[in-house]
Amino acid sequence: NAGVTQTPKFQVLKTGQSMTLQCAQDMNHEYMSWYRQDPGMGLRLIHYSVGAGITDQGEVPNGYNVSRSTTEDFPLRLLSAAPSQTSVYFCATGGGIRNSPLHFGNGTRLTVT
Amino acid sequence: DQQVKQNSPSLSVQEGRISILNCDYTNSMFDYFLWYKKYPAEGPTFLISISSIKDKNEDGRFTVFLNKSAKHLSLHIVPSQPGDSAVYFCAASGPGTYKYIFGTGTRLKVLA
Repeated sequence: NAGVTQTPKFQVLKTGQSMTLQCAQDMNHEYMSWYRQDPGMGLRLIHYSVGAGITDQGEVPNGYNVSRSTTEDFPLRLLSAAPSQTSVYFCATGGGIRNSPLHFGNGTRLTVT
Repeated sequence: DQQVKQNSPSLSVQEGRISILNCDYTNSMFDYFLWYKKYPAEGPTFLISISSIKDKNEDGRFTVFLNKSAKHLSLHIVPSQPGDSAVYFCAASGPGTYKYIFGTGTRLKVLA
């Protein structure tokens, strides 16, 4: 039982390149979300989904796209990477039932040069 | 606008003593609060939570206290152990929302 799996673990991009951060869960949770962690800023919500075909914006959605075609997968797309998107990205699942905790993956460390 | 605040970036405590981590929030609609622990190069792991209908919740060495009138919650770790050294995040959510808002974290160092 892997829980939440994020790939890749590390990525270096040049400004303007695009890439997709992958997130897969085997917990059969409807709710999935993406956070970024920056020094002194904590964890900030980028996008979230309450089920297949449904997505919504979080606190810092600009520069990121998401889609949810299956319950298991919730990829995060950077269409044109910028240095400000250098961060550690965490995918989380759960929380879809009121008063239940989120379960996080181990993160993707992204550097944009 | 930081809705969830952890004003102490770091805290050092001797092994065996009590660690108290604090968190303040501004949104009175928040009704569910959580604490997460994070080790380097790992994702945050859920520690303990509390609903706004309670003012205290215990789980082993960990106790969370909620003061709704002050919009303040705290995490007590007794006794503190070196393995507790990590970054601790508090988080909050409100009714009808799936958004969990996190604080900026407090780095706890337990000295042996």
